Amino acid sequence: AQSVTQLDSHVSVSEGTPVLLRCNYSSSYSPSLFWYVQHPNKGLQLLLKYTSAATLVKGINGFEAEFKKSETSFHLTKPSAHMSDAAEYFCVVSDSSYKLIFGSGTRLLVRP
Amino acid sequence: DTAVSQTPKYLVTQMGNDKSIKCEQNLGHDTMYWYKQDSKKFLKIMFSYNNKELIINETVPNRFSPKSPDKAHLNLHINSLELGDSAVYFCASAFSGLAEVFFGPGTRLTVL
Repeated sequence: AQSVTQLDSHVSVSEGTPVLLRCNYSSSYSPSLFWYVQHPNKGLQLLLKYTSAATLVKGINGFEAEFKKSETSFHLTKPSAHMSDAAEYFCVVSDSSYKLIFGSGTRLLVRP
Repeated sequence: DTAVSQTPKYLVTQMGNDKSIKCEQNLGHDTMYWYKQDSKKFLKIMFSYNNKELIINETVPNRFSPKSPDKAHLNLHINSLELGDSAVYFCASAFSGLAEVFFGPGTRLTVL
C-alpha cells in the first residue's frame, strides 16, 4: 500500500532563508507524487507534481522538489522564503486507482 | 472563474439534522471526489465518482450519501449529523487516468 510520511509537523524559517520540507514515501511501484499547499482557511493548491519524468520538478512560487528513488524521498525546497509562503504543506502520493493519499502536513512558519 | 466550486462555504447545524453540500466543476473532468479534513488537518478520501458511477467508497458511514446527477456535479448529503462530522469537506475533480486533482475551496461544517 502507498503511504507518505512528512517528517516535520512544523518548520520555522526566517524570511530570505532556504526552506526544506521533508517527505518520504512508500510505494510498491513507481509512484506519482505531489506537493499541495493550503493557506489559512483556504483550499488546496497544487505546487508541483512528479509523474516519472524528470526527477527534479519545478513548481509554482519558486518551489521545487527532487524525487530520489534510492532514498524514497520527495523533499520540497525553496531557496529563499517569503512571508507569503507561510501555510500548511501536504506531500501526497497517488495509488493505482488515482486516489490521493495525503501526508499529515507540515506547517511552515516564516519569521520576519 | 472558480474551476471547482462548493456551496455553502460554511454550514453550522444541530446534531440530528440532515444537510447537503453541493459541488460543481467546469473543467470537463470525468472524475469527482469528496475528501474530509479533520481538526488536525488530516485529509482523507471519502468517495470518488467516474462518469456518475461510484468507484471509491472509503468505509464512510451510510449516513453520507453522494449523488452525481451529471459529470459536472457531485453533491454530498449527510443524514442525522453527529458531532464527529464537524470538519472541512473538499470536493475535487480530475480526468480519469491522470493523478492531478483540482480541489474546491472547502465547506466548513460545524455540528453543535
